[in-house]
Amino acid sequence: QKEVEQNSGPLSVPEGAIASLNCTYSDRGSQSFFWYRQYSGKSPELIMFIYSNGDKEDGRFTAQLNKASQYVSLLIRDSQPSDSATYLCAVNMISGSRLTFGEGTQLTVNP
Amino acid sequence: DGGITQSPKYLFRKEGQNVTLSCEQNLNHDAMYWYRQDPGQGLRLIYYSQIVNDFQKGDIAEGYSVSREKKESFPLTVTSAQKNPTAFYLCASSISWVGTDTQYFGPGTRLTVL
Repeated sequence: QKEVEQNSGPLSVPEGAIASLNCTYSDRGSQSFFWYRQYSGKSPELIMFIYSNGDKEDGRFTAQLNKASQYVSLLIRDSQPSDSATYLCAVNMISGSRLTFGEGTQLTVNP
Repeated sequence: DGGITQSPKYLFRKEGQNVTLSCEQNLNHDAMYWYRQDPGQGLRLIYYSQIVNDFQKGDIAEGYSVSREKKESFPLTVTSAQKNPTAFYLCASSISWVGTDTQYFGPGTRLTVL
C-alpha cells in the first residue's frame, strides 16, 4: 500500500463545474495535509493546508479532512481552464518534517 | 523579493560526470529540502536539512551528496554513482522543521544525461 494515494486521473470537467480531487493516507498519526498545484514544467505551488477535521475554504477551493477515514480532498468550485494542472496531495507523517507526496492527479478543465 | 532560486534551469551531464545544482533562499528559513520528480510521478525526498551544518538522508539518497554550510544555501551534487539521474530536481524550504510548516519550492532544475 502506498503511503499517500490519489485518485487516478486524468480528470476532465467542463468549465464551471466542481472538480473533486481525493487523497488517502496510510499513517493514522499524520498531522498536516497540503494541496499543491503544479503546472506542466513548473514547480509546485501551495494551494491550501489543513490540520483539523472538517472543511476549510479559500475562495473557490475547499479542503476537507476526515482523520478517522484517513481521507483528504480538494474541491474546486466554478472550475476554470486556468485550473488545468496536476494537483499533488502531501502528508506530513508523524515522524516529523518529511512530507510524503502522492503521484498527483491531472485535471483538465474544458472550455 | 524573497524567494528560492535554483540554478541552472537546465543542465546536461555526460556519463561519469559529477554535477552540482544550486539552491539559495533569502526567506530566513531554517529547513531546506531536495526532491526528485520523474515524469508522471510525485516528489521523492533526496536529502533534507533541519538546520545549518546538519542534514539527513531522505528516501533516495544513494548517488547524491549535499552540504549546508550557510543557512541560505543547500547545494546538491549528483555523482557518477547515480545511475539514472535524468529528472526534474526541486529545492524547497520551510521556516522550521516542524511538520505543520509549509514547504515552498524553487523553480527547479531539469537534469538530462547525454
